[in-house]
Amino acid sequence: EVKLVESGGGLLKPGGSLKLSCVASGFTFSNYWMHWVRQAPGKGLEWIGEIEYDGTETNYAPSIKDRFTISRDNAKNTLYLQMSSVRSEDTATYFCTVQTGSWFAYWGQGTLVTVSS
Amino acid sequence: DTVLTQSPALAVSPGERVSISCRASEGVNSYMHWYQQKPGQQPKLLIYKASNLASGVPARFSGSGSGTDFTLTIDPVEADDTATYFCQQSWNDPRTFGGGTKLELK
Repeated sequence: EVKLVESGGGLLKPGGSLKLSCVASGFTFSNYWMHWVRQAPGKGLEWIGEIEYDGTETNYAPSIKDRFTISRDNAKNTLYLQMSSVRSEDTATYFCTVQTGSWFAYWGQGTLVTVSS
Repeated sequence: DTVLTQSPALAVSPGERVSISCRASEGVNSYMHWYQQKPGQQPKLLIYKASNLASGVPARFSGSGSGTDFTLTIDPVEADDTATYFCQQSWNDPRTFGGGTKLELK
C-alpha cells in the first residue's frame, strides 16, 4: 500500500523558516518524481514544485521560487520542503504527492502551515 | 500559465446525471486529470488523461474531452459523491489546477 505522511507544519511568523517532511512507503521512492501541492484554507489547489528521481532537477511555481527549496533523501524515502521568508499568503495545507505518468495518483494527508504575527 | 476554469458549484439529486466542465485557456492535448476532494481529506485521483478511470474508482465516473474543453460525468450521482472536484493539466508548464466545482446533493 502506497503511503505518504507529511509532518513539520505549525505556526510561524512572517519572514520565518520551516522545513516540511514527507515519508513515503509502499513503492520504490527513488523511481518517481515527487511534488508539493498546497491549499489555502477554503481555496483551491496550487502546484508549488517538483523534484526528479535523484534530486538533480527541481522546478518551482513562480509564486514561491527563490523562497522555497525542494529536496529528497532516497535512502530515507523522504521528500522535503524548506520554506523561508514566509508570508501570510503561504498559510495553507501542504500535500506531497507522487507523479505516476503525468498525474498525481497518491497524496499524503497534508500538514498545515500557518503564518501569522 | 494555463488557466483552468470550472463552475463554482452544482446541485443535483441522487440518481441524476451530472456533468462538471473544465475549460483550459490554451490547449492541453489530452493531459487533463480529475480529482475528488472531500472536506478535511486529501485529493483523490478519479480520471487521468481525460478519459481513463483510476484504479478502484466506480464506473459511475467518466471523463471526456481534448484540447481545451473537458467534462467529468457522474451517472448516477450518489450521496457519497458530495465533494469538490478539481481538474488539473500537465501538458503546459507549470502544472495548474482549476478552481474546483463543489457538488452538493439536493
